Amino acid sequence: GEDVEQSLFLSVREGDSSVINCTYTDSSSTYLYWYKQEPGAGLQLLTYIFSNMDMKQDQRLTVLLNKKDKHLSLRIADTQTGDSAIYFCAEKGYSSASKIIFGSGTRLSIRP
Amino acid sequence: EPEVTQTPSHQVTQMGQEVILRCVPISNHLYFYWYRQILGQKVEFLVSFYNNEISEKSEIFDDQFSVERPDGSNFTLKIRSTKLEDSAMYFCASRAGTTSYEQYFGPGTRLTVT
Repeated sequence: GEDVEQSLFLSVREGDSSVINCTYTDSSSTYLYWYKQEPGAGLQLLTYIFSNMDMKQDQRLTVLLNKKDKHLSLRIADTQTGDSAIYFCAEKGYSSASKIIFGSGTRLSIRP
Repeated sequence: EPEVTQTPSHQVTQMGQEVILRCVPISNHLYFYWYRQILGQKVEFLVSFYNNEISEKSEIFDDQFSVERPDGSNFTLKIRSTKLEDSAMYFCASRAGTTSYEQYFGPGTRLTVT
């Protein structure tokens, strides 16, 4: 079945780049998403990429997609304390009109 | 900026009771969703709703669950007879239309069944 996997924790120094990785199993995935969840808050859509793209940049965020390896990454440049959150990778398969499949989330913590 | 809102933020109920979780999707959005996240587990899809009917549902969404759009703004999830294992954070989401695949989520309702 469809599955999305992420590492659970990442710690980076303030000002460094953070790279959060994700793998997925559904080769028919059409859209891949990154959501951010701050403590006590909902899921904020950060960015998404269509499966026919291999890169998307949006200010400090860069998404890389390796469709052959079914690997997605989110790079946050110049990581700030406000970037501390849980980051969820998610995908929408071609076969589904609706549902998004989420990973477990990666907790990003920032060291001074 | 328009956003999805949910009420209440926290609901405590006794096992066997009915609960209704409420959501106001983004205005003019056409697709509506419920997801849930049991503590320590992944966010799971429950149901999608379009054109006043369920378009897709997961195996979790059994007969004790129902959804409704009672008016032009609200979207509700009803759990008829709550069980302990229904305790979770329930997220509502909405999407604009057929050419947009961006789902926007609300802040969630934490349901605690005792």
